[in-house]
Amino acid sequence: GIQVEQSPPDLILQEGANSTLRCNFSDSVNNLQWFHQNPWGQLINLFYIPSGTKQNGRLSATTVATERYSLLYISSSQTTDSGVYFCAVGGYKLSFGAGTTVTVRA
Amino acid sequence: DGGITQSPKYLFRKEGQNVTLSCEQNLNHDAMYWYRQDPGQGLRLIYYSQIVNDFQKGDIAEGYSVSREKKESFPLTVTSAQKNPTAFYLCASTPSGEKLFFGSGTQLSVL
Repeated sequence: GIQVEQSPPDLILQEGANSTLRCNFSDSVNNLQWFHQNPWGQLINLFYIPSGTKQNGRLSATTVATERYSLLYISSSQTTDSGVYFCAVGGYKLSFGAGTTVTVRA
Repeated sequence: DGGITQSPKYLFRKEGQNVTLSCEQNLNHDAMYWYRQDPGQGLRLIYYSQIVNDFQKGDIAEGYSVSREKKESFPLTVTSAQKNPTAFYLCASTPSGEKLFFGSGTQLSVL
């Protein structure tokens, strides 16, 4: 199956800082999504982004499918951004990475 | 409100017992999925269904069973054959294989 690697595994930020999360994958895909899991376990879909760049408020994402990676940018981080960020790739079946745990300190 | 409802929120299983986790969606989505999440890890696919009366095994289907008799419902049974069932179980759905939406999860523990 497709291998998905996320980095860094953990990230500690001061409120207001910017950060970049990375997702590398081992094969061509036509489906790539980013999720945020809050401390209560709820997974929220942030982006469906098999290629190109998208922005949603303080979050943006870029996928370079030919080079098999995607980046998630968090700008002006807030404490509510804390949680685990997952990248998932594939087609109809999605394979998830192990996640990046983000802690934003006030 | 439209959404995906999982119940119960917490479930306890005794040795040798089968338990069933419920997943209902009123989003009119065709495809539904079950994932398992262990502490500190990503999600692993158990089963998925693209249409009613059809489903496929995911990466870790052993010890689990599902049914898809109605479009809105996709229950998961954790059988006694699953020797390590303690985990957080997440149900998801998608209208067309694109954006995936998740329920709030069921935490299953063994007594």
